[in-house]
Amino acid sequence: DTGVSQNPRHKITKRGQNVTFRCDPISEHNRLYWYRQTLGQGPEFLTYFQNEAQLEKSRLLSDRFSAERPKGSFSTLEIQRTEQGDSAMYLCASSYTGDSYEQYFGPGTRLTVT
Amino acid sequence: AQSVAQPEDQVNVAEGNPLTVKCTYSVSGNPYLFWYVQYPNRGLQFLLKYITGDNLVKGSYGFEAEFNKSQTSFHLKKPSALVSDSALYFCAVRDSADSNYQLIWGAGTKLIIKP
Repeated sequence: DTGVSQNPRHKITKRGQNVTFRCDPISEHNRLYWYRQTLGQGPEFLTYFQNEAQLEKSRLLSDRFSAERPKGSFSTLEIQRTEQGDSAMYLCASSYTGDSYEQYFGPGTRLTVT
Repeated sequence: AQSVAQPEDQVNVAEGNPLTVKCTYSVSGNPYLFWYVQYPNRGLQFLLKYITGDNLVKGSYGFEAEFNKSQTSFHLKKPSALVSDSALYFCAVRDSADSNYQLIWGAGTKLIIKP
């Protein structure tokens, strides 16, 4: 089963350091989404790609956050100068193009900023 | 504006009893509705969706949901609960008339099934 994979699964970093997460979507899926989830809350949308184009970014995505999907396959999410408030689960999802298609989620990367 | 409400933070059900997890929504156009389940320290798993057609949709693990347009609801149901159904359940909606491709998520309902 080639589902959505994310690496690393856990990341502990010190405040001020940069971190990068990777997401590998389901291979046939054109759309890729990044979300952030804090304990007991629903996912918060960060950004999404259709193929390699980043089509939408949330206002939550400050200048310290950047995402890429260079060849329309895997994606990376980088957080620069991490802050304690960045501690959360970062979820990646992918889907077929089309508004009615469901998104399939990876296991997430849990970030802890100390 | 689009919104989703899951009015219950937690639902407790005895094993073998029927369960219902409630979801109401607000959109301008026609809704696309989704239910997901999340187990501890795991990503979200898709359960079922309503796009069009029959108001009763069936999904994974014996779950079903009923779309009620007049009540703007999409409640998740299962006839006989299992202890393994204990998890966090999220309802999400997208407005088919909206060019914004975001899903709007509820805050989640914790389902606890007691043996």
